[in-house]
Amino acid sequence: SQKIEQNSEALNIQEGKTATLTCNYTNYSPAYLQWYRQDPGRGPVFLLLIRENEKEKRKERLKVTFDTTLKQSLFHITASQPADSATYLCALEKNTGFQKLVFGTGTRLLVSP
Amino acid sequence: KAGVTQTPRYLIKTRGQQVTLSCSPISGHRSVSWYQQTPGQGLQFLFEYFSETQRNKGNFPGRFSGRQFSNSRSEMNVSTLELGDSALYLCASSLGAGYQETQYFGPGTRLLVL
Repeated sequence: SQKIEQNSEALNIQEGKTATLTCNYTNYSPAYLQWYRQDPGRGPVFLLLIRENEKEKRKERLKVTFDTTLKQSLFHITASQPADSATYLCALEKNTGFQKLVFGTGTRLLVSP
Repeated sequence: KAGVTQTPRYLIKTRGQQVTLSCSPISGHRSVSWYQQTPGQGLQFLFEYFSETQRNKGNFPGRFSGRQFSNSRSEMNVSTLELGDSALYLCASSLGAGYQETQYFGPGTRLLVL
């Protein structure tokens, strides 16, 4: 069956370190992958999109990689800050004619001062 | 530009009742998608509307329905509520319904079924 897996355990890191979050998928051939941030009681907010033919995408302190052979995306936050504490969701869109985003369950990141 | 708005923000209902949730997309956005979010299942896709037509539907029972109006505003309805319907219901809008469209989410409606 199709599955998107993100680390269900919270990731605790110290301020200033690099946080690395993982998104693994099986039985999908996504055209592209998106990462979202969600704060408690709020809807997800779009961060980055990476296409299947792109290996890496950067935006300020954020970096996303996409390995279609490993079926994995890594999401990095460099020089992390307490304000980065949130749940991060990856989402795939299947290469079909209709828009449909399939989300992972998310990984909670806690950045300590 | 105003963001996606959802009403009501919080709702308490009892089993067997029905509920209607409303979503106003960002001005100019024509696609609206609905998601259910629970701690156990995460974000689950309900359906997507574009130009008043349902384009895609997730794996939910027929008790869940929706519609979109000519001004792109959307409503979703859940009939015969069950305890398991307690969740955060999120609406997201995008400009179009093609690939690589960024989805802009509203704050959600938190539904509690007693």
